[in-house]
Amino acid sequence: DAGITQSPRHKVTETGTPVTLRCHQTENHRYMYWYRQDPGHGLRLIHYSYGVKDTDKGEVSDGYSVSRSKTEDFLLTLESATSSQTSVYFCAISGTESYEQYFGPGTRLTVT
Amino acid sequence: GDSVTQMEGPVTLSEEAFLTINCTYTATGYPSLFWYVQYPGEGLQLLLKATKADDKGSNKGFEATYRKETTSFHLEKGSVQVSDSAVYFCALGAYNTDKLIFGTGTRLQVFP
Repeated sequence: DAGITQSPRHKVTETGTPVTLRCHQTENHRYMYWYRQDPGHGLRLIHYSYGVKDTDKGEVSDGYSVSRSKTEDFLLTLESATSSQTSVYFCAISGTESYEQYFGPGTRLTVT
Repeated sequence: GDSVTQMEGPVTLSEEAFLTINCTYTATGYPSLFWYVQYPGEGLQLLLKATKADDKGSNKGFEATYRKETTSFHLEKGSVQVSDSAVYFCALGAYNTDKLIFGTGTRLQVFP
């Protein structure tokens, strides 16, 4: 199994509060991705990174920001959480074959 | 833009039945195609892949053939087991990017 962890695994927060989710890898892979999973939508890409300090937007990036200051860590921040951001968030990593992605266990976020 | 369409679920089968989960795609160029599987409470795992027309990907008894003429990548298994119960996602590697485009997923339920 790829060495990829996510923290926290579960979080409940209130509308308007900032939230940061962390993805940590021990594989030294170049690419890291944040997705959200919602019923009826499958997985949708929020942001991704192709190297330290190199990031780009996905299809549902509004309301989210990311940072990657080290190869092993990729942070997803919700500056002001809204109920529409209640979801399960998955981090994924990949190496030279960017399409062969390895997924973390997910973070279930509930915004009340 | 690129997209993936999967059959609606859930697919409900008895153990040892034959499985087909349909997947069709729309894409620029000739994308790589993938099937990922998600077991309850876990992240996605790569199940199989095909990178060019007429390639057959296979793993754990599952197979899928890249059909360019019908833009399809249907997943099949000759004899399903209860342990195959999961959500299956078809995905394509978007041309000239490092991103995967996922279908909405198909839930498979196998009963003894």
